[in-house]
Amino acid sequence: EPEVTQTPSHQVTQMGQEVILRCVPISNHLYFYWYRQILGQKVEFLVSFYNNEISEKSEIFDDQFSVERPDGSNFTLKIRSTKLEDSAMYFCASSEWPVSSPLHFGNGTRLTVT
Amino acid sequence: AQKVTQAQTEISVVEKEDVTLDCVYETRDTTYYLFWYKQPPSGELVFLIRRNSFDEQNEISGRYSWNFQKSTSSFNFTITASQVVDSAVYFCALTSGTGNQFYFGTGTSLTVIP
Repeated sequence: EPEVTQTPSHQVTQMGQEVILRCVPISNHLYFYWYRQILGQKVEFLVSFYNNEISEKSEIFDDQFSVERPDGSNFTLKIRSTKLEDSAMYFCASSEWPVSSPLHFGNGTRLTVT
Repeated sequence: AQKVTQAQTEISVVEKEDVTLDCVYETRDTTYYLFWYKQPPSGELVFLIRRNSFDEQNEISGRYSWNFQKSTSSFNFTITASQVVDSAVYFCALTSGTGNQFYFGTGTSLTVIP
């Protein structure tokens, strides 16, 4: 069964540094997402992406964050000038359609900011 | 506004007991979709089921069953004859309207004791 893959599985970075989290969505899916989960808490929406542009973003997704689909397969989340509170599990997801299709999640990237 | 409430934070049951996880949702949209996801200790998010607002039929899949009741805005999940492998955090989620954001509940942590 096709799956969403994320790299790296764990990223440690120092406060103030930039990180790029990478994702390869399922190949026939058109909608891509980033969610995050602070340890032990709920899964929070960051951004959705369709047709090479952001379709929706949350209040969390401020100027510190950006997303890109640099080629036909990868989908990246860049976090600039990381802060301690950015430490979380970041999940990439993809779906065939918006709203009605289930999200298929990757295994996540655990980001630790020290 | 969309909201999902999972009032049960943690549940412990002894193996082979039945357990029901509660989910209450809020939305003003007449078309919406409800989902359940499982997050085992390994951390990934696994899709379990989707239900749309026009289909109130209950669904059974093996030991899993789901009870959707629009009258009480609930979408409860029952595990019959629980097993240790069912130990996980279970999230209920909602999508509706024109946005494609998934709204997750805070999750219920289920521990099945052998």
